[in-house]
Amino acid sequence: KAGVTQTPRYLIKTRGQQVTLSCSPISGHRSVSWYQQTPGQGLQFLFEYFSETQRNKGNFPGRFSGRQFSNSRSEMNVSTLELGDSALYLCASSLADTSTDTQYFGPGTRLTVL
Amino acid sequence: AQKVTQAQTEISVVEKEDVTLDCVYETRDTTYYLFWYKQPPSGELVFLIRRNSFDEQNEISGRYSWNFQKSTSSFNFTITASQVVDSAVYFCALSEGNFNKFYFGSGTKLNVKP
Repeated sequence: KAGVTQTPRYLIKTRGQQVTLSCSPISGHRSVSWYQQTPGQGLQFLFEYFSETQRNKGNFPGRFSGRQFSNSRSEMNVSTLELGDSALYLCASSLADTSTDTQYFGPGTRLTVL
Repeated sequence: AQKVTQAQTEISVVEKEDVTLDCVYETRDTTYYLFWYKQPPSGELVFLIRRNSFDEQNEISGRYSWNFQKSTSSFNFTITASQVVDSAVYFCALSEGNFNKFYFGSGTKLNVKP
């Protein structure tokens, strides 16, 4: 079974731009979560989508948004990029039909904001 | 307050030594889940183990073992006879109740030297 895939793997943007990251979950998984990893803040939860609905949300500003499509693929968007948005963005998928479940992570997208 | 604390920032051992990675968690929920993940230099988080709050049985998987103690809110991870390939950052994570949202510790970087 193929794992979680994320595209692109690397991105370089400048301040003020916006960016869209993509995540394809493991086949059959309907939950997709996004995390931001930085040296200073560590791994922080952004949001989780399940059946095209945002089910859980972390403490990030509204510049961070996401969506999920009917095939469970998910996209994350960051608008008006700031230098502090430079990070590794990890996507994870799980079955999680009714409660918490093991999350399987993709390789991440490394975003650099100049 | 941190929900998951990994006090050891970095540990260095020589190959074949045993090493224990500490994890202390904090939650008021009676139902929760604990996880360990490994992050090699490639960046992808690799799932190692999941435990729910009602299962305090310790587990051994090859060279890996986990000690879950609710009385001390700890979920420690031991690698026996460490190998160079064990070098990575190890994360402990907590998920509470029915929320598929992980709180990660800050990670412990393990260096295994030949």
